[in-house]
Amino acid sequence: DAKTTQPNSMESNEEEPVHLPCNHSTISGTDYIHWYRQLPSQGPEYVIHGLTSNVNNRMASLAIAEDRKSSTLILHRATLRDAAVYYCILRDRTSGTYKYIFGTGTRLKVLA
Amino acid sequence: GAVVSQHPSRVICKSGTSVKIECRSLDFQATTMFWYRQFPKQSLMLMATSNEGSKATYEQGVEKDKFLINHASLTLSTLTVTSAHPEDSSFYICSARASGEWETQYFGPGTRLLVL
Repeated sequence: DAKTTQPNSMESNEEEPVHLPCNHSTISGTDYIHWYRQLPSQGPEYVIHGLTSNVNNRMASLAIAEDRKSSTLILHRATLRDAAVYYCILRDRTSGTYKYIFGTGTRLKVLA
Repeated sequence: GAVVSQHPSRVICKSGTSVKIECRSLDFQATTMFWYRQFPKQSLMLMATSNEGSKATYEQGVEKDKFLINHASLTLSTLTVTSAHPEDSSFYICSARASGEWETQYFGPGTRLLVL
């Protein structure tokens, strides 16, 4: 199974950029990299996904390493509302389905 | 777009009763829905994959007779926790994958189940 590794927790000051890393050294050539975030007592919220090229949307940017074995989610200006657990996810290719394998995620704390 | 709802948002029941949780895709058709369980301070654990019109596929260690899943339409899947016990108390979350959109799942807000 393709798995991801993320730091357990990170801290950031409000209004500053945040770089959340993810390692996925066993990724296959056709696996998309997904990022979700989960606020307390809520379901995960889609943030961004990409395959090879860097991606930008209104929430964040995704920088993907050239060898695709790591990626970084970038929040350009962290706000208190960005405090959440961020999950970097690959799908489970071995099952032939599109189910996700959730790791432990990174708990982001934003300091006012 | 891509909104998934769950009902109820929270439920308290007595031990031994059954509880049904609904998961609906509001603005898209979902050929596949997924059910997760999340205990406090832990990550999401996949329980089962539900395909419209066919039997659900359960993950190892999940009792299919205890957690009944029905996916009768392209917009609705239900999870029934039968004969619930206190250890079944958890946060249950569903997600849906849109037809033709192979990779992205959209998650519901979750259902908090407390079994007394």
